[in-house]
Amino acid sequence: DTEVTQTPKHLVMGMTNKKSLKCEQHMGHRAMYWYKQKAKKPPELMFVYSYEKLSINESVPSRFSPECPNSSLLNLHLHALQPEDSALYLCASSPPGGGSSYEQYFGPGTRLTVT
Amino acid sequence: EDQVTQSPEALRLQEGESSSLNCSYTVSGLRGLFWYRQDPGKGPEFLFTLYSAGEEKEKERLKATLTKKESFLHITAPKPEDSATYLCAVNSGGYQKVTFGIGTKLQVIP
Repeated sequence: DTEVTQTPKHLVMGMTNKKSLKCEQHMGHRAMYWYKQKAKKPPELMFVYSYEKLSINESVPSRFSPECPNSSLLNLHLHALQPEDSALYLCASSPPGGGSSYEQYFGPGTRLTVT
Repeated sequence: EDQVTQSPEALRLQEGESSSLNCSYTVSGLRGLFWYRQDPGKGPEFLFTLYSAGEEKEKERLKATLTKKESFLHITAPKPEDSATYLCAVNSGGYQKVTFGIGTKLQVIP
């Protein structure tokens, strides 16, 4: 089973709201990722968690706050977003170890609209 | 810095008309080259990983090949359901970070 699930599928929020995106995988993967994707652009890396610790933060604004409560779950907390943050937010995971460990399996994404 | 260039940006084929998509890359030391398929509004679907020059992998109508400078995704006798954006990505070094190309949007006409 190579399934990564994400909730919600769609989210509309105002600039003063606080919301969270959720991602879950049960493949035993030990690296999890958040990406942002704008229309007609490739996915843009935001954060990487490796063994539940934040290993990469691509200089993302603090209005995005990631959290990894356990090896299967990844959250992205959103606060005071701007309209330009509207995008498809993708979660991915990859297996531990070398070799195939960089194969990333993506979830279906959350379509976020900031009004 | 790793660089990935995909061509063409868009490709329109008749059903059954075979073709190839190109992914050129520049990396300091390739650990893996990945092909993904992405349908509109959905997450990328993993297709293949290639590790070294000369390697080939196949899945249904798709075949991926790798040289030291580029990779090709060959599509044999495509069907309309093969219409999607195909993304190429590379990983180098010891980091869990991949660099994506901009993708090739494939449209297969019945």
